[in-house]
Amino acid sequence: DQQVKQNSPSLSVQEGRISILNCDYTNSMFDYFLWYKKYPAEGPTFLISISSIKDKNEDGRFTVFLNKSAKHLSLHIVPSQPGDSAVYFCAGATTSGSRLTFGEGTQLTVNP
Amino acid sequence: DVKVTQSSRYLVKRTGEKVFLECVQDMDHENMFWYRQDPGLGLRLIYFSYDVKMKEKGDIPEGYSVSREKKERFSLILESASTNQTSMYLCASRRHRGNTEAFFGQGTRLTVV
Repeated sequence: DQQVKQNSPSLSVQEGRISILNCDYTNSMFDYFLWYKKYPAEGPTFLISISSIKDKNEDGRFTVFLNKSAKHLSLHIVPSQPGDSAVYFCAGATTSGSRLTFGEGTQLTVNP
Repeated sequence: DVKVTQSSRYLVKRTGEKVFLECVQDMDHENMFWYRQDPGLGLRLIYFSYDVKMKEKGDIPEGYSVSREKKERFSLILESASTNQTSMYLCASRRHRGNTEAFFGQGTRLTVV
């Protein structure tokens, strides 16, 4: 049972343009969502999160949008930079629980 | 600077060997996790622990066990390594509850030959 799904294995964008990464979830108990970025041969690093009481959270070039009725979230990166090229994972969690449940990841490539 | 440290970056082991992966965190976090990352499958939870000597199975616990004798240390054990356990293993820690992120170690690339 894949509770968090990232349907696009890869995404390629031009430097300076917007990158939009998508994530869907099925577990209606999730009330906290996170995005992580991972470079090869390194551990994931936390990027941005959003609580289910919000529909948008912004941090610099990164914005996460949450649509609870559609059980969908997206990460927007504006403007995209070559250093943003990495695998991006979304994750869902419950505030009362311990574990994070991750999606399959999306490989973002930003071309100069 | 908060840290999760995994004992090895790269390991090569033979089929049938018993393998220990060690993880230490310095943030006094209650929760610790072991994930594996495989292409197209994302990060899958093997086991986690919410307290010393406490453990819970994740989504893919078969072939693995864990040990948490001290709060800061969480070990993953492959009882008899097999080639399908070749993977990137990632340890993480997280505060007990609430809207907080998990912190990951640098990963251990394990190859079983």
